[in-house]
Amino acid sequence: NAGVTQTPKFQVLKTGQSMTLQCAQDMNHEYMSWYRQDPGMGLRLIHYSVGAGITDQGEVPNGYNVSRSTTEDFPLRLLSAAPSQTSVYFCASSPLGEEKLFFGSGTQLSVL
Amino acid sequence: SQKIEQNSEALNIQEGKTATLTCNYTNYSPAYLQWYRQDPGRGPVFLLLIRENEKEKRKERLKVTFDTTLKQSLFHITASQPADSATYLCALSIYNQGGKLIFGQGTELSVKP
Repeated sequence: NAGVTQTPKFQVLKTGQSMTLQCAQDMNHEYMSWYRQDPGMGLRLIHYSVGAGITDQGEVPNGYNVSRSTTEDFPLRLLSAAPSQTSVYFCASSPLGEEKLFFGSGTQLSVL
Repeated sequence: SQKIEQNSEALNIQEGKTATLTCNYTNYSPAYLQWYRQDPGRGPVFLLLIRENEKEKRKERLKVTFDTTLKQSLFHITASQPADSATYLCALSIYNQGGKLIFGQGTELSVKP
């Protein structure tokens, strides 16, 4: 049972490039979310989804897109990378009705 | 504005002592509060959840208290061990927020042998 899998683990981008951070879970969880973690600021919610075809914005959605075509996958797209998006990104999931989150191991992104 | 604050400075304690971490919040009415452990280079791992109508929760050497009047949660690790060294995060969930969690910035705990 792999849990929540994120790829890649590390990525370096140039300003203006686009890319997709992948997240997949094999626990059949309805709820999935993306957080970014910056020093001294804690985890901040970017986007979340309560099921396939349903997504919503979190606290810091600007510059990011998501879609949820299947229960298992919840990719995060950076449309035009900016240095302010340098961060560690975590994907998390949980079954609806159970409050605790299961996190992936993170993607460390640097935008030059 | 809404805020969640944890001990900003790292906490250094001796093995065998009790570590106490603090989580304070303002302008929230949380349905429940959670504590997570995060090791360097890893994602957070769930430890404990306490609901607004619960005063205290225990799990092995861990104890969490929740005071909605003081707007504070305390997280205790008794008989601490060097393996307990990590960053500990508190997170709040608000009613009708669809499971969204709001995280504090974390407190780094170091347990010396």
